[in-house]
Amino acid sequence: GENVEQHPSTLSVQEGDSAVIKCTYSDSASNYFPWYKQELGKGPQLIIDIRSNVGEKKDQRIAVTLNKTAKHFSLHITETQPEDSAVYFCAARDDKIIFGKGTRLHILP
Amino acid sequence: DAGVTQSPTHLIKTRGQHVTLRCSPISGHKSVSWYQQVLGQGPQFIFQYYEKEERGRGNFPDRFSARQFPNYSSELNVNALLLGDSALYLCASSRTGTTNEKLFFGSGTQLSVL
Repeated sequence: GENVEQHPSTLSVQEGDSAVIKCTYSDSASNYFPWYKQELGKGPQLIIDIRSNVGEKKDQRIAVTLNKTAKHFSLHITETQPEDSAVYFCAARDDKIIFGKGTRLHILP
Repeated sequence: DAGVTQSPTHLIKTRGQHVTLRCSPISGHKSVSWYQQVLGQGPQFIFQYYEKEERGRGNFPDRFSARQFPNYSSELNVNALLLGDSALYLCASSRTGTTNEKLFFGSGTQLSVL
């Protein structure tokens, strides 16, 4: 079955700098790759997603890249702000959705 | 519009008991899925329902069961609770539950088994 690896598990970034989170997946049949942000006491919130026929997608300060050949995808957050502090999860989906273990992002003042 | 609502928000049970968790999807969404999130881990898929039919099942024991009602709300039942069942249980809804659809999560039910 599908396996999703996510790195790093913790990331500290100075406010205003960029943050990058990387994920790899194992099942070449996976064709949908969403990213979620989870704040304390809340459920995961979809922040951006990408489908397998697209290599890159951008939404304001957030971008995602996908390399299907290498089976990896990455989340890029530019000009980080204090409210970006949260746990971020990548996921890969074919018939079922499989999540990575999460990255705790700290934005340092 | 209301998002995905789950009840209760917190629950404390003892080993061997059973529990029922409830979920109401976003209006217009016909698919509901359930996830277990253990502290420090990503959500793990348990069930997906669409139009009252089970569409998918994760690697969970038969103690876990679910159903979807005609109004598209859903219940997750867990029997013979174990300490290891302590987790945040998340419900997500989508319009039809197909692969490329966006999932919208509720805030979850925090279950503690003592």
